[in-house]
Amino acid sequence: NAGVTQTPKFRVLKTGQSMTLLCAQDMNHEYMYWYRQDPGMGLRLIHYSVGEGTTAKGEVPDGYNVSRLKKQNFLLGLESAAPSQTSVYFCASRASPDNEQFFGPGTRLTVL
Amino acid sequence: AQSVTQLGSHVSVSEGALVLLRCNYSSSVPPYLFWYVQYPNQGLQLLLKYTTGATLVKGINGFEAEFKKSETSFHLTKPSAHMSDAAEYLCAVKRTGSARQLTFGSGTQLTVLP
Repeated sequence: NAGVTQTPKFRVLKTGQSMTLLCAQDMNHEYMYWYRQDPGMGLRLIHYSVGEGTTAKGEVPDGYNVSRLKKQNFLLGLESAAPSQTSVYFCASRASPDNEQFFGPGTRLTVL
Repeated sequence: AQSVTQLGSHVSVSEGALVLLRCNYSSSVPPYLFWYVQYPNQGLQLLLKYTTGATLVKGINGFEAEFKKSETSFHLTKPSAHMSDAAEYLCAVKRTGSARQLTFGSGTQLTVLP
């Protein structure tokens, strides 16, 4: 039981490049979330999903897209990376809104 | 709308001293409140949570927090700091709505001095 895993752990991109971050959970959770963490700003919600095939915008969705084609996976895409997207990205999942939210170990992304 | 304010982005205490990390919330409905800990280069781990019932909540590693509705506060305390407590601490409130995602404060970095 691996919990919530994130791939990759680190990545360096050049401005304008694209990439996809993968979040996988093996707990059969319905709800999945993508956050970004920046110094002095806590965690801010980018996008979330309340079930397979559904996605919704969070607080800071601009410049990101997501997909939830399989229940266990939640992908975060950057189509054209910008330096402002340099951050640590965390994925989380939970079984239902009233259950504990479990976090992945994070992906550190640098955009040059 | 729900929001969280953490006073003090950096707190330093001596080993063995009291730890007090402050969190104030704003919520139009009875809040669900959480404290998470984040060790360097790691994800977030739930320390404790308040949903309903007893206002003094005990968590892992000797931490506890008290929900005070009149002060809209949920401060985190530990009687005696240990070197291993050095970490980032984040307070969060659960939002209303179908997904009920968490809204986090800006975090407090705790340093424990020998």
